[in-house]
Amino acid sequence: QQQVKQSPQSLIVQKGGISIINCAYENTAFDYFPWYQQFPGKGPALLIAIRPDVSEKKEGRFTISFNKSAKQFSLHIMDSQPGDSATYFCAASNAQGGSEKLVFGKGTKLTVNP
Amino acid sequence: GAVVSQHPSWVICKSGTSVKIECRSLDFQATTMFWYRQFPKQSLMLMATSNEGSKATYEQGVEKDKFLINHASLTLSTLTVTSAHPEDSSFYICSARRIGPGAGYGYTFGSGTRLTVV
Repeated sequence: QQQVKQSPQSLIVQKGGISIINCAYENTAFDYFPWYQQFPGKGPALLIAIRPDVSEKKEGRFTISFNKSAKQFSLHIMDSQPGDSATYFCAASNAQGGSEKLVFGKGTKLTVNP
Repeated sequence: GAVVSQHPSWVICKSGTSVKIECRSLDFQATTMFWYRQFPKQSLMLMATSNEGSKATYEQGVEKDKFLINHASLTLSTLTVTSAHPEDSSFYICSARRIGPGAGYGYTFGSGTRLTVV
């Protein structure tokens, strides 16, 4: 019930291409779905987040698509750049329900080749 | 805004000694802070949830007496690894939940502390 499954484990994309990372969850009480970017030796940084009342959110080159019925959400990185090479984590929490814990996916290592 | 400062960024200590890691929210108040442990090429593993003025809530399997957490104020939480051993070597990361008008559900992470026990 608490799992968030993330795929793929690793992804290699050419510069300018689209990077797509997918996550699926089980707990329908989750109401907050953030994506984090982590560079080696650094803490995760919030990239973009979505609530379940919205099907899509876009911020610059980053877009979250959310499918409530399928219990899936994905991150799209348009015009991928070498500087986007990092590990990306999806997460979920039941913030309104009082459980503040973030449940993380296992991460996706993205490599963008120049 | 919403900056979390974590110190030290790296520390090497001898086996059997204790190490304290600080986590400060610089520009916001955080009633709740979280401590994570991350092994190489793995995801973040929640160790404990720290609430200001009360005892921390530890996740199953985390030794309370080894990993002491204190959340003395709305801007400071500390993690002390007591009697550290080489198997405690890891990357420790704190996170703070913002509160107040407009804070939403945001969680801000510190930059992490690389602990090496020799």
